[in-house]
Amino acid sequence: EIVLTQSPATLSLSPGERATLSCRASQSVSSYLAWYQQKPGQAPRLLIYDASNRATGIPARFSGSGSGTDFTLTISSLEPEDFAVYYCQQRSNWPQFTFGPGTKVDIK
Amino acid sequence: QVQLVESGGGLVKPGGSLRLSCAASGFTFSDYYMSWIRQAPGKGLEWVSYISSSGSTIYYADSVKGRFTISRDNAKNSLYLQMNSLRAEDTAVYYCASGIADNWFDPWGQGTLVTVSS
Repeated sequence: EIVLTQSPATLSLSPGERATLSCRASQSVSSYLAWYQQKPGQAPRLLIYDASNRATGIPARFSGSGSGTDFTLTISSLEPEDFAVYYCQQRSNWPQFTFGPGTKVDIK
Repeated sequence: QVQLVESGGGLVKPGGSLRLSCAASGFTFSDYYMSWIRQAPGKGLEWVSYISSSGSTIYYADSVKGRFTISRDNAKNSLYLQMNSLRAEDTAVYYCASGIADNWFDPWGQGTLVTVSS
């Protein structure tokens, strides 16, 4: 099983600041990595797929990078609606999909 | 508008059974794979099961293999999860999700809560 590790567990920032979230895989997943955003009481929403492609309707302030085992989700300037939990997910080991434990971005 | 709506959750005793449903609309259901993903209270996401567009290929997480059965009815645009021999650790919100977005999980339904407790 491919294990995903996310850091930090919690990121405390202010609106307008830049957020940098990390996801590390226990073995190479090539570019088969996605990022999801989940707000309290809501289902997750796809943000980034194939490591760096924004999903439909996702604002340009969200960007993804990386390949192999190290990936980054960057939010260039936090908006109030961006405070949420972010999960990475791999599908390299199809269909044993796995998710990371999540990074909570909260208001400082 | 693409929409997934789960139903069938509730309170069940350990060892009991429950059948979840997911009604799809706004897209050609029979063209896409579907999955069930769950989230225990206050915890992260766990993939549970996958079914191909035709229903011919099915996979399960080890944690539910032999107890859960995924199925679909393309004529009814519906996905199902039959859950047997339920355990306390199966308590979670269960989401259905499609592979519309280039085979990634998108969109997701709103989820249905399953509580296994005596």
